[in-house]
Amino acid sequence: DAGITQSPRHKVTETGTPVTLRCHQTENHRYMYWYRQDPGHGLRLIHYSYGVKDTDKGEVSDGYSVSRSKTEDFLLTLESATSSQTSVYFCAISESSSPDTKETQYFGPGTRLLVL
Amino acid sequence: AQSVSQHNHHVILSEAASLELGCNYSYGGTVNLFWYVQYPGQHLQLLLKYFSGDPLVKGIKGFEAEFIKSKFSFNLRKPSVQWSDTAEYFCAVHTGKLIFGQGTTLQVKP
Repeated sequence: DAGITQSPRHKVTETGTPVTLRCHQTENHRYMYWYRQDPGHGLRLIHYSYGVKDTDKGEVSDGYSVSRSKTEDFLLTLESATSSQTSVYFCAISESSSPDTKETQYFGPGTRLLVL
Repeated sequence: AQSVSQHNHHVILSEAASLELGCNYSYGGTVNLFWYVQYPGQHLQLLLKYFSGDPLVKGIKGFEAEFIKSKFSFNLRKPSVQWSDTAEYFCAVHTGKLIFGQGTTLQVKP
């Protein structure tokens, strides 16, 4: 398995509270991603990073921000959590993002977030 | 818009039955294709992938998938399922971003 850890693994919080999820990798991969998994939707991309301090929005970025100050860490922040952000959050890594390089994304164990 | 569609949302099979899960995508450019599996309570694991070459690819645990370019399809198959195959299966297409289908929950009855 790829060296990806996520913390916390489970979190319960209240509406309006800020929440930060952490993804840590030991593979020195350039690209890191945050997805959310919801029934009937598969996984949807929230934000991704293509290097230190280089990030971009994904399909469902509203209400989320990210930061990457080191290659190995990618943080996802919910500035003010809402019940619609109750989900399972997965971090992923890859060496590149181009289909031409035949890269594979590898996923972390996930963080289950419940917003009450 | 780029999209991935998995036709079966919930499949129930008995052990030893054959499995085929459908996956179609909408994108005309270069794609890399993946099937991931998520066992209960676990993270996504790569089952198999197709980049180029032989359109019939073999993965772990006896799974295989066939890429049919003319049909924009990448269906997953297994000749004989086991109870331990109970999981959720995701088809994904990489077009520059990884786009997932909605997932198919497979329940195998012992």
